[in-house]
Amino acid sequence: KAGVTQTPRYLIKTRGQQVTLSCSPISGHRSVSWYQQTPGQGLQFLFEYFSETQRNKGNFPGRFSGRQFSNSRSEMNVSTLELGDSALYLCASSLVGGYGYTFGSGTRLTVV
Amino acid sequence: QQPVQSPQAVILREGEDAVINCSSSKALYSVHWYRQKHGEAPVFLMILLKGGEQKGHEKISASFNEKKQQSSLYLTASQLSYSGTYFCGTESSGTASKLTFGTGTRLQVTL
Repeated sequence: KAGVTQTPRYLIKTRGQQVTLSCSPISGHRSVSWYQQTPGQGLQFLFEYFSETQRNKGNFPGRFSGRQFSNSRSEMNVSTLELGDSALYLCASSLVGGYGYTFGSGTRLTVV
Repeated sequence: QQPVQSPQAVILREGEDAVINCSSSKALYSVHWYRQKHGEAPVFLMILLKGGEQKGHEKISASFNEKKQQSSLYLTASQLSYSGTYFCGTESSGTASKLTFGTGTRLQVTL
């Protein structure tokens, strides 16, 4: 079956711009989580959505937001980009409670 | 709060064994283990649930001590393909609404 699909794979943006990243989970997986990965901070939790509701949010500023659609696809948005937002953004989907996560290949965001 | 992994890095010769530890300050419902190779996404290895048994197969297994909020990943007779960064992920609620990853352990297996 198809895995988790993230688009785009690479993005280069300028400081101050905004960006939208997309994630299509594995069919049947209703939980979608987003992570930011950087060499210094590792995997940092951004937020998690289930049935179009954000159930949990990490310690990121309000410039980071997300949403989930009725088909479980999810998007995350970063507004007013800063240089420090350069990172690999990973999306993961799972069944609820007691199952592993399947990660997408990620979107590599570079802010210049 | 982020779980703490130890060691931070380890170098093994092929065929040697390794243990990676993960410790949390919070009561846990589950512990996940993932391996990430350079330039790739993390790949799920196994999950251990509160009240569950030690899991894994012959060469890679893990244990979960609920009372100590600790888990260990055991790599036996390591192979070159085991190289990568290993992350534990901890979840407290049982709803899969927040998986917090550890600091990572870089494992390199050499000939």
